[in-house]
Amino acid sequence: AQSVTQLDSQVPVFEEAPVELRCNYSSSVSVYLFWYVQYPNQGLQLLLKYLSGSTLVKGINGFEAEFNKSQTSFHLRKPSVHISDTAEYFCAVNPDNTDKLIFGTGTRLQVFP
Amino acid sequence: DVKVTQSSRYLVKRTGEKVFLECVQDMDHENMFWYRQDPGLGLRLIYFSYDVKMKEKGDIPEGYSVSREKKERFSLILESASTNQTSMYLCASSPPDLLATQYFGPGTRLLVL
Repeated sequence: AQSVTQLDSQVPVFEEAPVELRCNYSSSVSVYLFWYVQYPNQGLQLLLKYLSGSTLVKGINGFEAEFNKSQTSFHLRKPSVHISDTAEYFCAVNPDNTDKLIFGTGTRLQVFP
Repeated sequence: DVKVTQSSRYLVKRTGEKVFLECVQDMDHENMFWYRQDPGLGLRLIYFSYDVKMKEKGDIPEGYSVSREKKERFSLILESASTNQTSMYLCASSPPDLLATQYFGPGTRLLVL
């Protein structure tokens, strides 16, 4: 069965520093990958998704992610974070031939001034 | 603007009570989902509905049931609430597409005493 691993449960970082949130998925013939963000006291919203084509995907709020098939990874990056990026970030995979998503356990990004 | 609403933000119930959590979407989406979110466990799918009166068990359906009598409304039912069902419950909806974005409600934080 498909699975997603987010190795870092918490990532503390100073404002304006770069950040990378790691996500690895179990291998599959075809895979669709997503990053969602949950701001405090809110539901989740889509940051970006990888469907096919270019391995570098750009999302909202300056985030981007790179799909790496050989390493089965889909890491999320931002070159310079803001206080407002403090949130929980979830990586998700869409198993073959289904509309459902499998979510990782989440990474809490804490941005300090 | 897309909208998924949940009937309560916070709910306190006693063990053994029957609990109804309501979710309404205004996007005419075929798919609706109920997840529970727990620290360190991420989001886990409880039930999924792909059409009116249609439902499919997710990863953790035990102790829960669902109802979808109208396209826009998806209800989660705890037949006899237990303390281990204390959690954050998130509802989402999406069109019937493998690549579709799921739109989430703000969540209901349920405490079972």
